[in-house]
Amino acid sequence: AQSVAQPEDQVNVAEGNPLTVKCTYSVSGNPYLFWYVQYPNRGLQFLLKYITGDNLVKGSYGFEAEFNKSQTSFHLKKPSALVSDSALYFCAVRDPQGYSTLTFGKGTMLLVSP
Amino acid sequence: NAGVTQTPKFQVLKTGQSMTLQCAQDMNHNSMYWYRQDPGMGLRLIYYSASEGTTDKGEVPNGYNVSRLNKREFSLRLESAAPSQTSVYFCASSEDRGQQFFGPGTRLTVL
Repeated sequence: AQSVAQPEDQVNVAEGNPLTVKCTYSVSGNPYLFWYVQYPNRGLQFLLKYITGDNLVKGSYGFEAEFNKSQTSFHLKKPSALVSDSALYFCAVRDPQGYSTLTFGKGTMLLVSP
Repeated sequence: NAGVTQTPKFQVLKTGQSMTLQCAQDMNHNSMYWYRQDPGMGLRLIYYSASEGTTDKGEVPNGYNVSRLNKREFSLRLESAAPSQTSVYFCASSEDRGQQFFGPGTRLTVL
């Protein structure tokens, strides 16, 4: 069975500094990987995905993620954090051999201070 | 283009009451999903539907039933609500192998 781990419940960063939100996964075969963001009292919004190809994936709002097959990781990054980036971030994986259901991590709260 | 819509936004039930959560999408997606979100648990899949007329259990189906009424609509029913079903419920839809699009959620409290 596939699984996702987000080892940090919360990440704190100052505005203007780079940010990283960590994600590791376990799945048989080559994974499909996703990042979603959730603002307070809202549904999840898609940020970016990795299916195949370039290991560095660029997404919405200046976010990017790096796929590392040997470390089974898919960390979310942004060169310069904004206060408005403060939100709950979810990593998710889909088994490419199975149906399109996603397995989500438990989420990481990102707090960007002014 | 409204995307994925859910009703109601909020609901309070007493233990043993029943209710149906409604979900509709206007993106002509084949696949639809119901999740629950609990603090520290992430999102957990309750049921999903690969196409009109088909439904399958997810990770936490006990206490729930679903109906894929047509391609647009996918409802979630609680026959006899329990306090453990207090949660935020999200509906989502996707093309068969694409990203999922989420609704705004229903916040349910069972007393």
